[in-house]
Amino acid sequence: DSGVTQTPKHLITATGQRVTLRCSPRSGDLSVYWYQQSLDQGLQFLIQYYNGEERAKGNILERFSAQQFPDLHSELNLSSLELGDSALYFCASSALAGATYEQYFGPGTRLTVT
Amino acid sequence: GQQLNQSPQSMFIQEGEDVSMNCTSSSIFNTWLWYKQDPGEGPVLLIALYKAGELTSNGRLTAQFGITRKDSFLNISASIPSDVGIYFCAGPPFGGSEKLVFGKGTKLTVNP
Repeated sequence: DSGVTQTPKHLITATGQRVTLRCSPRSGDLSVYWYQQSLDQGLQFLIQYYNGEERAKGNILERFSAQQFPDLHSELNLSSLELGDSALYFCASSALAGATYEQYFGPGTRLTVT
Repeated sequence: GQQLNQSPQSMFIQEGEDVSMNCTSSSIFNTWLWYKQDPGEGPVLLIALYKAGELTSNGRLTAQFGITRKDSFLNISASIPSDVGIYFCAGPPFGGSEKLVFGKGTKLTVNP
């Protein structure tokens, strides 16, 4: 158990809908990262938050957004969903920005868009 | 952007055999991480490497940070059935970002 929790475990929704994925980092970790894993693209970095502020952005679609709250949990919002958004979405956390590159992953949310 | 190339893509071995896999990049990495992912689960960090030439062990796993800083190797000794899974190398791309770039993975199958 990495100490990172994600909910829900599975999500099935229709095209055009909006969903919210939730992540709680390990106790004491200030950085939260979101990754997307699909069969053809592998694990791709989406976005990083550090202590409530956006710190780095990857190839995240404009339809996707995230935020980190004062209690350090994070949410990833996916809107106007398309079939191609079906994937595993992982949250990871690490202790301090720049202090370590070791990231600990949650169990993931499997999103299926029908 | 920086990419990590893992080989082999898949391996089929007998229980008890040793396994070697590697990860290469056209660019320098200052940190190499090795993760294992079981089906339907999140990647689990196995080993972190921070210095060129460093050799680090975690039980039956040993990883090395290549001296050119463009490659890393993972060895598993005396494989057991629970070693089955996908092994990923990862690292932060040069430039100070903490995001990780991942290889495509090596899928390991162990026959009892």
